[in-house]
Amino acid sequence: EPEVTQTPSHQVTQMGQEVILRCVPISNHLYFYWYRQILGQKVEFLVSFYNNEISEKSEIFDDQFSVERPDGSNFTLKIRSTKLEDSAMYFCASSRYGNAGELFFGEGSRLTVL
Amino acid sequence: KQEVTQIPAALSVPEGENLVLNCSFTDSAIYNLQWFRQDPGKGLTSLLLIQSSQREQTSGRLNASLDKSSGRSTLYIAASQPGDSATYLCAVYSGTYKYIFGTGTRLKVLA
Repeated sequence: EPEVTQTPSHQVTQMGQEVILRCVPISNHLYFYWYRQILGQKVEFLVSFYNNEISEKSEIFDDQFSVERPDGSNFTLKIRSTKLEDSAMYFCASSRYGNAGELFFGEGSRLTVL
Repeated sequence: KQEVTQIPAALSVPEGENLVLNCSFTDSAIYNLQWFRQDPGKGLTSLLLIQSSQREQTSGRLNASLDKSSGRSTLYIAASQPGDSATYLCAVYSGTYKYIFGTGTRLKVLA
């Protein structure tokens, strides 16, 4: 069964360092998302991406964040200068359709900022 | 602004009980609603997707209903098992290129 894959599963970094989280969405999906979940809190929307551009972003997704689809398969989230409060689980998701689409999630990348 | 609430926040039941999890949303103009399961430290697994034109969906022991006008959805789990222990999340899609998630219900089914 097709699945969304994410790497790394866990990354530890120093405050101020750049981090890139990688995702391979399901191959025939067209809509891509990043969400995050701080430990013990709700799943929060970061950004959605369609047709090689950002469709929607939250207030969390400030200038420190960027997304890219560098080739036909990968979808990346970059955090330029990490802060302690960026420590969270980051989930990538994809769907085939927009309005009617079922959302499929990866297993997540746990980011720990020291 | 769409807000999604789930009640109860936590639930502990003996094995074999039928149970109902609730999800409420403030803006009834949704396209669909999806229920997920999340095991500790894991990703989200899709359980059921209900389109706005549908009133319910079923998968095995799970049944989800949707009442758009009242801004509510329920997830019914029949004959609960210890393996059902997890956090259950609902998420609504309102056509703004994002799903909004509820706060979740932590379910523990006791053997």
